[in-house]
Amino acid sequence: IAGITQAPTSQILAAGRRMTLRCTQDMRHNAMYWYRQDLGLGLRLIHYSNTAGTTGKGEVPDGYSVSRANTDDFPLTLASAVPSQTSVYFCASRREGMNTEAFFGQGTRLTVV
Amino acid sequence: AQTVTQSQPEMSVQEAETVTLSCTYDTSESDYYLFWYKQPPSRQMILVIRQEAYKQQNATENRFSVNFQKAAKSFSLKISDSQLGDAAMYFCAYRSAVSSGSRLTFGEGTQLTVNP
Repeated sequence: IAGITQAPTSQILAAGRRMTLRCTQDMRHNAMYWYRQDLGLGLRLIHYSNTAGTTGKGEVPDGYSVSRANTDDFPLTLASAVPSQTSVYFCASRREGMNTEAFFGQGTRLTVV
Repeated sequence: AQTVTQSQPEMSVQEAETVTLSCTYDTSESDYYLFWYKQPPSRQMILVIRQEAYKQQNATENRFSVNFQKAAKSFSLKISDSQLGDAAMYFCAYRSAVSSGSRLTFGEGTQLTVNP
């Protein structure tokens, strides 16, 4: 089934541990994004990638890193998790062009204890 | 930088009635897109409706319509004949049309409850 897949769907993580959230899309979209969703704050952009090999910082990048080695995959890494990174994380992708729609994964609920 | 504001954290409506969700945004750009997304308890983000800023006509998708006031930078969502399945978190979002690499900026969200 074509779409965008995130893994894991949920995770409890000890503070200080390293964690990589996975995101894979099979739509050959150029652009990919990572958002975090927090109650009362909506979705905020963490990092983005307009094409394979390039990445950029969003609104709340601190404590997170990304890579884009190929078109399909866009992993998000928390090098040393802190409780404030407890959130729901969404990966999204969009085909290049002005009038194109973003597609979202099902989200990863991460709890840092 | 663009900002999007949803001033109603929660709204409720009776089944079959009409409800309007508010959204305002701030931008210096003249060309952009506006969106309403629905997020049911499943967490899935579902695009409800979109509006291109250069179009004066308000977008409509079945029971969903928008009131786009460009000068006032307002973009409200009207849901007619509300159904129990409309209960969800609704997000307003903005995306610049200046660059093909532009990203979505979201509002805080409005939690809609539909009462039977």
